[in-house]
Amino acid sequence: GAVVSQHPSRVICKSGTSVKIECRSLDFQATTMFWYRQFPKKSLMLMATSNEGSKATYEQGVEKDKFLINHASLTLSTLTVTSAHPEDSSFYICSARDAYRVGGELFFGEGSRLTVL
Amino acid sequence: SQQGEEDPQALSIQEGENATMNCSYKTSINNLQWYRQNSGRGLVHLILIRSNEREKHSGRLRVTLDTSKKSSSLLITASRAADTASYFCATDDTGANSKLTFGKGITLSVRP
Repeated sequence: GAVVSQHPSRVICKSGTSVKIECRSLDFQATTMFWYRQFPKKSLMLMATSNEGSKATYEQGVEKDKFLINHASLTLSTLTVTSAHPEDSSFYICSARDAYRVGGELFFGEGSRLTVL
Repeated sequence: SQQGEEDPQALSIQEGENATMNCSYKTSINNLQWYRQNSGRGLVHLILIRSNEREKHSGRLRVTLDTSKKSSSLLITASRAADTASYFCATDDTGANSKLTFGKGITLSVRP
């Protein structure tokens, strides 16, 4: 099956620093990737849609300058949390659709738990 | 914005019993999908049902879709302790930028 690799799985950083999270589709091409944020015992909140070769589309209420998304290739999207604060601590999950698969299901990474001290 | 709403929010059953989880949604959809999430992990796709389908099976999973009521159900038969997880329904709406919108999830606990 299609595999999405997300790295790092856990990161602890100091307040004010920036953290980059990578999302890679290992065996398929993904023109679109999605970034979600999940709070404990809560659903996934879509933050933005990452489009290969163009700007990401952010959901309402998500700060573009805070959460920088880059989708430079068909297999890699990155999320950078800039000037992180404790309230940014959360579980971030990426997902991708196979550009050549007719179906519609998403393939998820294992998530990245960010803790900002 | 929230689309799918699952119920119940939590379900505890004995191993071997069947588990039924429901999902309601609000807008027109292309398809509805169910996902599973183990604690602290990513989501795993379980099954997809298209808007023109009424029922679908995959192993011990049975999904139904009623577009007139805008609802779906996921049935797990002969549950196992390993089925303990959170289950989410997600709707793929008919908008131009098709994206999945997830419900709040159902926490299923299967007691050995």
